[in-house]
Amino acid sequence: EAGVTQSPTHLIKTRGQQATLRCSPISGHTSVYWYQQALGLGLQFLLWYDEGEERNRGNFPPRFSGRQFPNYSSELNVNALELEDSALYLCASSWSRGLAGADTQYFGPGTRLTVL
Amino acid sequence: GEDVEQSLFLSVREGDSSVINCTYTDSSSTYLYWYKQEPGAGLQLLTYIFSNMDMKQDQRLTVLLNKKDKHLSLRIADTQTGDSAIYFCAEFSGGYQKVTFGTGTKLQVIP
Repeated sequence: EAGVTQSPTHLIKTRGQQATLRCSPISGHTSVYWYQQALGLGLQFLLWYDEGEERNRGNFPPRFSGRQFPNYSSELNVNALELEDSALYLCASSWSRGLAGADTQYFGPGTRLTVL
Repeated sequence: GEDVEQSLFLSVREGDSSVINCTYTDSSSTYLYWYKQEPGAGLQLLTYIFSNMDMKQDQRLTVLLNKKDKHLSLRIADTQTGDSAIYFCAEFSGGYQKVTFGTGTKLQVIP
């Protein structure tokens, strides 16, 4: 069974540009989560999508946004890039809520975003 | 509060046991996880434990949960060089489907 996939692996942008990161969940999973892992800051929760809707977001400005498509894949968009947005962005997926153990999140390999 | 704390670094000799500790603060956590991150890679789920359990064993891994003290530990028996990685504990807040991660513990295995 294929795991969570993310693309691209690496992305280099300059300040002020926009970045789009993509994630495909494990087949059957309907929830997708986005995390930022910046150097020295650990993992920070960004966004949670389930059944096409944004369910929760972490403490990030509105220029971090995303969406989930009918096939449950997801995009993370970062507008007006700043130097401190440089980080590894991890996507995770899980089954929908309500099933014992089904909330466990499985992570993709990440997209490394570098802002110059 | 939602802080999850871990020691930053642990060094063990190959063949010894490793114990990685974690403390959390959210008493409503329903699941607690251990993830492994190898250099340059994403997170790999190692194991998880329900908050109503005290212990879970999975091959070389043993997870102990002390809910009273909000303390979680991961024991790796017969540690191998391939176990060298950063280990994250994480707590899950069911109502908001949000996982809060610890700072990560870098495990170095000395041959």
